[in-house]
Amino acid sequence: EPEVTQTPSHQVTQMGQEVILRCVPISNHLYFYWYRQILGQKVEFLVSFYNNEISEKSEIFDDQFSVERPDGSNFTLKIRSTKLEDSAMYFCASSERGQGANVLTFGAGSRLTVL
Amino acid sequence: AQSVTQLDSQVPVFEEAPVELRCNYSSSVSVYLFWYVQYPNQGLQLLLKYLSGSTLVKGINGFEAEFNKSQTSFHLRKPSVHISDTAEYFCAVSTYTGRRALTFGSGTRLQVQP
Repeated sequence: EPEVTQTPSHQVTQMGQEVILRCVPISNHLYFYWYRQILGQKVEFLVSFYNNEISEKSEIFDDQFSVERPDGSNFTLKIRSTKLEDSAMYFCASSERGQGANVLTFGAGSRLTVL
Repeated sequence: AQSVTQLDSQVPVFEEAPVELRCNYSSSVSVYLFWYVQYPNQGLQLLLKYLSGSTLVKGINGFEAEFNKSQTSFHLRKPSVHISDTAEYFCAVSTYTGRRALTFGSGTRLQVQP
């Protein structure tokens, strides 16, 4: 069964450092998403991406965050200068066109720990 | 804007007993509804979805849910749980217009005891 792949599975970084989280969505999917889950809390929407541009973002997704689809397969989330409160599990997801656009397939997540 | 409420943060239940995890939503437009399961230290797996058609939807692992528009609910049920069902369960909503991205509830931890 096709799956969304995320790397790294766990990253530890110092406060103020830049971090890039990588995702390979399902190959025929057109919509891409990033969510985060702070330990013990709900899953929160960050950003959605379609047709090479951001289609929607939440208030969490401020100027410290950016997303990019640098080639035909990867979808990345960059945090420019990490803060302690950025420590969380980050989930990438993708979905296909039409009504299937609302059915998201999630990756296993990348755990970010900011020290 | 849509929102999801999962009133029960934890539900302890004995093995082979039935269980219902409650989910209520709020939205000004028509919705799609989902249940995702998160096993310890794993990602989110789609359990079942309601997009249209029959209001009773069946998912994986013997779970089912019923969409009740008048009560704005989408409760998850299983007639007989197993130890392996111990996990966090998230209800989520999206809309065809407006926000397409999923809005999640706060989750319900199902703890199945022997």
